[in-house]
Amino acid sequence: DIQMTQSPSSLSASVGERVVITCRASQSISNSVNWYQQKPGKPPKLVISGASTLQSGAPSRFSGSGSGTDFTLTINSLQPEDFATYYCQQSFSTPPFFGGGTKVEIK
Amino acid sequence: QLQLQESGPGLVKPSETLSLSCAVSGGALRSSGSYWGWVRQSPEKGLEWIGSIYYSGITYYSPSLRSRVTLSVDTSKNQFSLKLRSVTAADTAIYYCARLQVLQFEPWGQGTLVTVSS
Repeated sequence: DIQMTQSPSSLSASVGERVVITCRASQSISNSVNWYQQKPGKPPKLVISGASTLQSGAPSRFSGSGSGTDFTLTINSLQPEDFATYYCQQSFSTPPFFGGGTKVEIK
Repeated sequence: QLQLQESGPGLVKPSETLSLSCAVSGGALRSSGSYWGWVRQSPEKGLEWIGSIYYSGITYYSPSLRSRVTLSVDTSKNQFSLKLRSVTAADTAIYYCARLQVLQFEPWGQGTLVTVSS
């Protein structure tokens, strides 16, 4: 099974700041990583697929990069609506494990 | 717009069977290339994939839950279902259904909280 290790588990940032979240796979998975945003009381929402493809409707300040085992989600110029928990998920093989999540809080 | 909605009891007794259904609207369960899955979320385990099913009945289960899980599909009702047997308090979680395409989960249902308690 391919495990996903996400860091940090939480961070505090101010509106306008740039935020970087990382995810490491336990083995090489090409570009098979998805990123989800989850707000309290809501289901996760797919933001980026295939490591770097921005989903329709997602703001362009979100970007993803990486391949192999190391991946990043970057939020440029953090906005109030971006405060949420973010999860990576490997889509290389079954079982499709999720990372432990990164909670982005207001500083 | 494709929408999913979970339904089922919010309280299940220990050792009994948890049963949930997911109604799909705005699209057909028979959609080519789409699998349908269940994910649960708890503070202890985070997001945990339970299993996935194709409209033809092909299933994939989490290795850690395989012995207790059964997924089924009812194309006439455009819904799919989850049964989890012999539940314990560790199975208390929010249960989500979702569509899977190329192992991408989207969209998701709103989720339903299931508590295991006597």
